[in-house]
Amino acid sequence: DAGITQSPRHKVTETGTPVTLRCHQTENHRYMYWYRQDPGHGLRLIHYSYGVKDTDKGEVSDGYSVSRSKTEDFLLTLESATSSQTSVYFCAISAGVGEKETQYFGPGTRLLVL
Amino acid sequence: AQSVTQLGSHVSVSEGALVLLRCNYSSSVPPYLFWYVQYPNQGLQLLLKYTTGATLVKGINGFEAEFKKSETSFHLTKPSAHMSDAAEYFCAVILGGSARQLTFGSGTQLTVLP
Repeated sequence: DAGITQSPRHKVTETGTPVTLRCHQTENHRYMYWYRQDPGHGLRLIHYSYGVKDTDKGEVSDGYSVSRSKTEDFLLTLESATSSQTSVYFCAISAGVGEKETQYFGPGTRLLVL
Repeated sequence: AQSVTQLGSHVSVSEGALVLLRCNYSSSVPPYLFWYVQYPNQGLQLLLKYTTGATLVKGINGFEAEFKKSETSFHLTKPSAHMSDAAEYFCAVILGGSARQLTFGSGTQLTVLP
């Protein structure tokens, strides 16, 4: 599992409230990613980080922000949650170099926005 | 731009039958190609990947995939399905550049019938 944990694993919140999801890794990987998974869409990249305080947007970044103040933690924040952000969120890390490079995924966080 | 198409959102096979899950990609550069499996309520687990070299790649659990550049395909096969293979399968591509972003197909749900 590449030492990836996500918290919380499940969350129910109301529209308009802020939500922060945490991804924690234990193996000092440089690259970390946040994806969302929705039926019929596979996984789509929200944001990624290539180092402490270095982040960039993915395909579906609107309504989300991220922060990475330590190598091991990558936070995803929904500033004002909407029902369209109900989804399963996965964190991933990239391990290895060149042809050996592979992304490994955390267990996911199920978010329900009412 | 790159994209991934998985033909068939649902595939059913009988136990012991051949499993064939289709994946086609479009990419302006030679891609790295991946298959991931997701069991219910779990994260994604790497099945196999192709980077360079031998075009027939063997993965875990008896699965294999063949990279066919002329057909821009990376279909996943297993000679004999087992009940435990029931899961959702995702094909994904990555450009070996600085962003290292995975682009996923929409997934194929495999059902194995007794």
